Amino acid sequence: GENVEQHPSTLSVQEGDSAVIKCTYSDSASNYFPWYKQELGKGPQLIIDIRSNVGEKKDQRIAVTLNKTAKHFSLHITETQPEDSAVYFCAASKNTDKLIFGTGTRLQVFP
Amino acid sequence: EPEVTQTPSHQVTQMGQEVILRCVPISNHLYFYWYRQILGQKVEFLVSFYNNEISEKSEIFDDQFSVERPDGSNFTLKIRSTKLEDSAMYFCASNLAKNIQYFGAGTRLSVL
Repeated sequence: GENVEQHPSTLSVQEGDSAVIKCTYSDSASNYFPWYKQELGKGPQLIIDIRSNVGEKKDQRIAVTLNKTAKHFSLHITETQPEDSAVYFCAASKNTDKLIFGTGTRLQVFP
Repeated sequence: EPEVTQTPSHQVTQMGQEVILRCVPISNHLYFYWYRQILGQKVEFLVSFYNNEISEKSEIFDDQFSVERPDGSNFTLKIRSTKLEDSAMYFCASNLAKNIQYFGAGTRLSVL
């Protein structure tokens, strides 16, 4: 079955710097890759997603890139702010059905 | 904005007891999911449900687990005889026509 690896497990950045989180997936049939942000005591919230027919997608300070050949995708957050501090999960799916999550990245943004 | 709601937020139970976790998905959604997250670990898929039947389940979802959509709004996860290792956050999610999955805030299950 699908397996998703995520790195790094923790990431500390200074406010205003960029943060990059990387994921790899194993099943070449996966075609939908969402990123979720989870704040303490809350459920995962979708922040951006990308489908396999697109190589890059951007939404204000957040961007995701996808390399289908290498089977990896990355989350880029620019101009980080303290409120970006949270745990971020990548996931992979076939046709937006069950999500297979990565192990999560705890991002800390220091003022 | 519509949201997935889950009750209770925290459930404490004794080992061997049955628990029912409740979810109210977004009203026009058609696909429903349960996931669980053991403390400090990743979110894991348990089961998906469509058209009043299970469409897929993981190895975790054994005979002790069952799901039901008893009426037009609720979606429940039942654990028949809880074990210590069932302690986790349980998340319900829903989507419309296999689009974005929206998650509830979760139920923390503590098995003593």
